[in-house]
Amino acid sequence: QQQVKQSPQSLIVQKGGISIINCAYENTAFDYFPWYQQFPGKGPALLIAIRPDVSEKKEGRFTISFNKSAKQFSLHIMDSQPGDSATYFCAASKDNTDKLIFGTGTRLQVFP
Amino acid sequence: DARVTQTPRDKVTEMGQEVTMRCQPILGHNTVFWYRQTMMQGLELLAYFRNRAPLDDSGMPKDRFSAEMPDATLATLKIQPSEPRDSAVYFCASGYQMNTEAFFGQGTRLTVV
Repeated sequence: QQQVKQSPQSLIVQKGGISIINCAYENTAFDYFPWYQQFPGKGPALLIAIRPDVSEKKEGRFTISFNKSAKQFSLHIMDSQPGDSATYFCAASKDNTDKLIFGTGTRLQVFP
Repeated sequence: DARVTQTPRDKVTEMGQEVTMRCQPILGHNTVFWYRQTMMQGLELLAYFRNRAPLDDSGMPKDRFSAEMPDATLATLKIQPSEPRDSAVYFCASGYQMNTEAFFGQGTRLTVV
């Protein structure tokens, strides 16, 4: 019940294309869903986050879509750029704790 | 430019030796996390503190790992004795409000030979 399942493990997209990464969770007590971006040799950094009172959140080229009934959420990267090449982690936590449970990560490669 | 500082950045040690990793959280942050990252397991939460008190260390092997916050500006993660399976990148992160951004350091890459 504590797991967050992420797919795909790796993704190759051409420049200008749309990158889509999916996550699913079981614990209905989760109510905070961030996405982190990690470049090689660096720590993860918050990219965008959503709470379950909205179904979508957009920040620039990055959008989170949230489906509460299906217990799924996804990250969409529009107009993908080579600089977006990184590993992306979804995560989830419950309101009464800071304990972030991370997905297994998706390595995104964007080719020019 | 506020950031989480971890030392050392890289550590190579022999099996059986004691390893201490240090973390300076961002000033004013009251929550500190220790995560371990490996290819096989991804990012695993080892322990976390709020206001220097340990809240959850269930992800940590108790027999060899220990985590402490001697003061608000320093968190330590100690492994004694170290084993080759402990080889990983260890991240410290800090935050100041529940369920908001966790700021990660650059990590300590540990290699136990």
